[in-house]
Amino acid sequence: QVQLVESGGGVVQPGRSLRLSCAASEFSFRSYSMHWVRLAPGKGLQWVAVISNDGAHIFYADSVKGRFTISRDNSKNTVYLQMNSLRPEDTAVYYCARVGPQIAFDLWGQGTMVTVSS
Amino acid sequence: DIVMTQSPDSLAVSLGERATINCKSNQSVLYSSNNKNYLAWYQQKLGQSPKLLIYWASTRESGVPDRFSGSGSGTDFTLTISGLQAEDVAVYYCQQYYTTTWTFGQGTKVEIK
Repeated sequence: QVQLVESGGGVVQPGRSLRLSCAASEFSFRSYSMHWVRLAPGKGLQWVAVISNDGAHIFYADSVKGRFTISRDNSKNTVYLQMNSLRPEDTAVYYCARVGPQIAFDLWGQGTMVTVSS
Repeated sequence: DIVMTQSPDSLAVSLGERATINCKSNQSVLYSSNNKNYLAWYQQKLGQSPKLLIYWASTRESGVPDRFSGSGSGTDFTLTISGLQAEDVAVYYCQQYYTTTWTFGQGTKVEIK
């Protein structure tokens, strides 16, 4: 079925790194821009990053710029989020999301939990 | 970045009654070339991923019950749930996609009175 499945979350110490993956299935992945969005405990949704369908255009939220890197491999139908220099405030459920023709998030993954703690 | 501010932060509504959530942006999200408001609404139930309800400020996503409606233009928007059902208990977010860096409102928690 059409779906996004995230993986790679876990518990990590401050200052360390983690790479999240989001595998897409049953749709033409290379045709869609992909985003990462996070939900911190007790907080609201926060947009994190976007990569265009061809990888040529990338943008980040100020809070992660210079520390996080979004990338994609269209041959593997997968989008990644490399997270470096992690901070406790990066603790959140991380979702990948697809941008549909309506230019809104029409498909979301189930999320993967990242906990940054010593 | 465009700042999205929702009100109220939470509300309790009786079953069958109307729930109204407001969303205000600090700059217009109306794209003049196509006259579309780059504004969406999402519902997130506890422990679930968000779900798209409304896009272009007032267009209901396929499969979304018609008790959900969106209105507004420019900087002021409203999500209305006409006839609240028990399954509508959730946090609702507005989100703008007018700029290359997208932003959400802080969320409005809807409960049953």
